[in-house]
Amino acid sequence: SQKIEQNSEALNIQEGKTATLTCNYTNYSPAYLQWYRQDPGRGPVFLLLIRENEKEKRKERLKVTFDTTLKQSLFHITASQPADSATYLCALAERNYGGATNKLIFGTGTLLAVQP
Amino acid sequence: DAMVIQNPRYQVTQFGKPVTLSCSQTLNHNVMYWYQQKSSQAPKLLFHYYDKDFNNEADTPDNFQSRRPNTSFCFLDIRSPGLGDAAMYLCATSREVTSILAFRTDTQYFGPGTRLTVL
Repeated sequence: SQKIEQNSEALNIQEGKTATLTCNYTNYSPAYLQWYRQDPGRGPVFLLLIRENEKEKRKERLKVTFDTTLKQSLFHITASQPADSATYLCALAERNYGGATNKLIFGTGTLLAVQP
Repeated sequence: DAMVIQNPRYQVTQFGKPVTLSCSQTLNHNVMYWYQQKSSQAPKLLFHYYDKDFNNEADTPDNFQSRRPNTSFCFLDIRSPGLGDAAMYLCATSREVTSILAFRTDTQYFGPGTRLTVL
C-alpha cells in the first residue's frame, strides 16, 4: 500500500540546535516533494520544494534533502528558535505522463517544539 | 495582503443541516482545492477545480459538493453534515503551467481554514 510516514512523536530540541525531521514514503514515484509549516488552527504555509532530480535545497536556515533510492526526505532547521515550534508536513506529487500531477499527498506531520 | 480567504473561520451547524463554506483568492490562480483535516491527521484532498473542470476524489462522500462560479471563488457544500464531518476545512490554490514538454505544478497556497463543528 502507499504510505507517507513522518515521526508521529513530537520532536523536542533546545534552542540553537539543529532540528531534523524525516519523511519516508513507500509505493510512490514522486516528481517532487514539498515541506509545509502548520501552526495550530491555521492552514499550512509552503516552505521548500525539491524535485526528484535534486539532492538538496536550501533557504536561509532551512535545508531539504531528497534521496529517491532510500525513498526519504530530510528537513533540517539550523540554529532553531522557539518561533520555529510548529507542525511540519511533507507532501509529494506523483509523476505522470506530463511530468507531475497537480495533487499533493500529505504526511501527518511532525510537531517540533524548540525549548528556550 | 490576504491571498486566500476563507469564511467563516468558525462554523457551527446542527446534525443534518446543510452548510456552505466559502473560499476566495486574489492570486488569479487557475486551480483551487478543498481539503479536510481532522485533528493530528494529514490534510485529505476532497476535490479540486482545474479552471472550470471539477475533479472529485474517488473516496469523497457524495455528501460533499463544490461550486466554482468564477476564478476567484469556490464553495464547499455539505448537504447533510454528520458528526464525523467535524474538521478543519482548508482551501488552497495553485497556478499551473503546461507546455508541450512538461506539466509543471506550482506550490499550493492555503487559506487559514474553517473549523466546522457539528452538534
